[in-house]
Amino acid sequence: EIVLTQSPATLSLSPGERATLSCRASQNVNTYLAWYQHKPGQAPRLLIYDASNRATGIPAKFSGSGSGTDFTLTISSLEPDDCAVYYCQLRSNWPPSFGPGTKVDIK
Amino acid sequence: EVQVLESGGGLVQPGGSLRLSCAASGFTFSGYAMSWVRQAPGKGLEWVSSTSGSADSTYYADSVKGRFTISRDNSKNTLSLQMSSLRAEDTAVYYCAKDRISRSLAGAGVFDYWGQGTLVSVSS
Repeated sequence: EIVLTQSPATLSLSPGERATLSCRASQNVNTYLAWYQHKPGQAPRLLIYDASNRATGIPAKFSGSGSGTDFTLTISSLEPDDCAVYYCQLRSNWPPSFGPGTKVDIK
Repeated sequence: EVQVLESGGGLVQPGGSLRLSCAASGFTFSGYAMSWVRQAPGKGLEWVSSTSGSADSTYYADSVKGRFTISRDNSKNTLSLQMSSLRAEDTAVYYCAKDRISRSLAGAGVFDYWGQGTLVSVSS
């Protein structure tokens, strides 16, 4: 089974700063990686699929990159509304596993 | 507008059963695989089960295999999860999620619309 790890566990930045979130797979997953934003009490929101494609309605401030085993989600200019836990997720194999998440806080 | 709405959660004793439902609208329900994903208190997201658009294929997480059954009624645009032999570790918010593009499970696994979730608590 392929394992996803995310770093850092928590990211605390000031408004306007760039956030860089990392996701690493234990084996080559090509570009079969998605990113989700999850706020407490809300439905998770798909941000990025297939490593670098923004989902419908997602603003350009969110971007994804990477292939193989190393992936990055970048939030270009943090706003208070971006406070959430961000999960990466693998879809190439069953089960479609999730990483443990990165919590993004605003200072 | 795509909407999915879960219902059926509640408090149940260990060993008990519960049936969750998900009402979907705003898309051709039979054209997409559907899934259940859960989040235990203080934990991350965990995939539970998926079914193809035609319900001819289903997958389960090892943690629920043999205890949970996923089903769908395409005539009523409804997804269900029958849960039995419930354990304390099944306590979680259960989300219904639509696959982004795939009807079959072969190309599925990205979830573009999720419900708000329904809470299942297993406790005596």
